[in-house]
Amino acid sequence: GESVGLHLPTLSVQEGDNSIINCAYSNSASDYFIWYKQESGKGPQFIIDIRSNMDKRQGQRVTVLLNKTVKHLSLQIAATQPGDSAVYFCAENGGAGGTSYGKLTFGQGTILTVHP
Amino acid sequence: DAGVIQSPRHEVTEMGQEVTLRCKPISGHNSLFWYRQTMMRGLELLIYFNNNVPIDDSGMPEDRFSAKMPNASFSTLKIQPSEPRDSAVYFCASSPRTASGELFFGEGSRLTVL
Repeated sequence: GESVGLHLPTLSVQEGDNSIINCAYSNSASDYFIWYKQESGKGPQFIIDIRSNMDKRQGQRVTVLLNKTVKHLSLQIAATQPGDSAVYFCAENGGAGGTSYGKLTFGQGTILTVHP
Repeated sequence: DAGVIQSPRHEVTEMGQEVTLRCKPISGHNSLFWYRQTMMRGLELLIYFNNNVPIDDSGMPEDRFSAKMPNASFSTLKIQPSEPRDSAVYFCASSPRTASGELFFGEGSRLTVL
């Protein structure tokens, strides 16, 4: 989930396990949500997005679930691999829409560590 | 294909000096974003451009910061004068579509102001 300050939530899993990373958002106007992955020393990399008219979307090995009632977003990674080790960020657009889908507010991130 | 290219990758400067960060977006992308990342504040949007026009600079911390996009293939972020609290990683990102949050980030410019 979200955190403020220096201590990011961490998730440690074994290779092959499924991972679930959670995120709470506060802006009820947000209608577009995204997950990004950031490896050490690199820029964030887009994983998957979901619009508020959906509650589930699947990609390759990843699923994003959206619960607007409780303002909660989760990212599920199937068969987690060591290469999935990174910091994962949820992001929301605050309802900006229109020409502003890239105007994102990022969460603080969750550190995922996958052990071989 | 080349991704978003940022320079310099690392810069160390003294307080009061001018800093210029540069970005070359992916060819054909019509939106460009400058984000800043620190441990305390995470990733924050500073400014973004659509078709070379600044759309929203509400994230620019103060007048010491300015950004330009003179053409579709180049943008700069300037800090003058720099202060220690400006130390951060500055990311440039571009997007091919305004109706998408799929941003392609560069590898960032790590700025240290002493």
